[in-house]
Amino acid sequence: SYVLTQPPSVSVAPGQTARITCGGDKIGSKSVHWYQQRPGQAPVLVVSDDSDRPSGIPERFSGSNSGNTATLTISRVEAGDEADYYCQVWDSRIDRPYVFGAGTKVTVL
Amino acid sequence: EVHLVESGGGLVQPGGTLRLSCAASGFTFSNYAMSWVRQAPGEGLEWVSAISGSGDSTYYASSVRGRCTVSRDNSKNTLYVQMNSLRVDDTAVYYCAKGLYSGIQGGWFDPWGQGTLVTVSS
Repeated sequence: SYVLTQPPSVSVAPGQTARITCGGDKIGSKSVHWYQQRPGQAPVLVVSDDSDRPSGIPERFSGSNSGNTATLTISRVEAGDEADYYCQVWDSRIDRPYVFGAGTKVTVL
Repeated sequence: EVHLVESGGGLVQPGGTLRLSCAASGFTFSNYAMSWVRQAPGEGLEWVSAISGSGDSTYYASSVRGRCTVSRDNSKNTLYVQMNSLRVDDTAVYYCAKGLYSGIQGGWFDPWGQGTLVTVSS
């Protein structure tokens, strides 16, 4: 089945930029979606289709996808951005069509 | 506003059975595929199962196939999953999530319910 690789953790100072990568074979040919999960809460969609922001998501969240790596970028990081972030793709293989990365813990220093 | 509320979680012994429900509101339920996604304690997200808007197509992760049945009652705007032969490693928070399309054909999950905890232990 298709595998998505994320770094376990990213640390960033307030006001700086956090970049979270999601690696996969030819992931640039797929649509990548990103979720934020704060402690004790359900996941929330923050970026869809590589770079679209759902209504209500701050412009500080942006995404890109090319080659073998997709990236979620959080600009001007705030304390409230501290959370786990997961990438997700659709893979047409029937055994596991919806695939999640293992998640990246973003720590705001 | 779209709203999803799961129920039915609890403590069950290994080998037991559990049925989870997800009550939906705020959208035309039958127009959207729905999924179950679980999260073991301290672990990441694992997609479990999906059902098309009409209910005529279902998909399962290999980890639950043969033990899990997803269904929906569009007249009641409710999604279900029944899990049999439960194992300790089925212990997780189970979330229901709304899909993007009527069919199971890609897209993202938005929104998610608050989740219901299933604990499999003797």
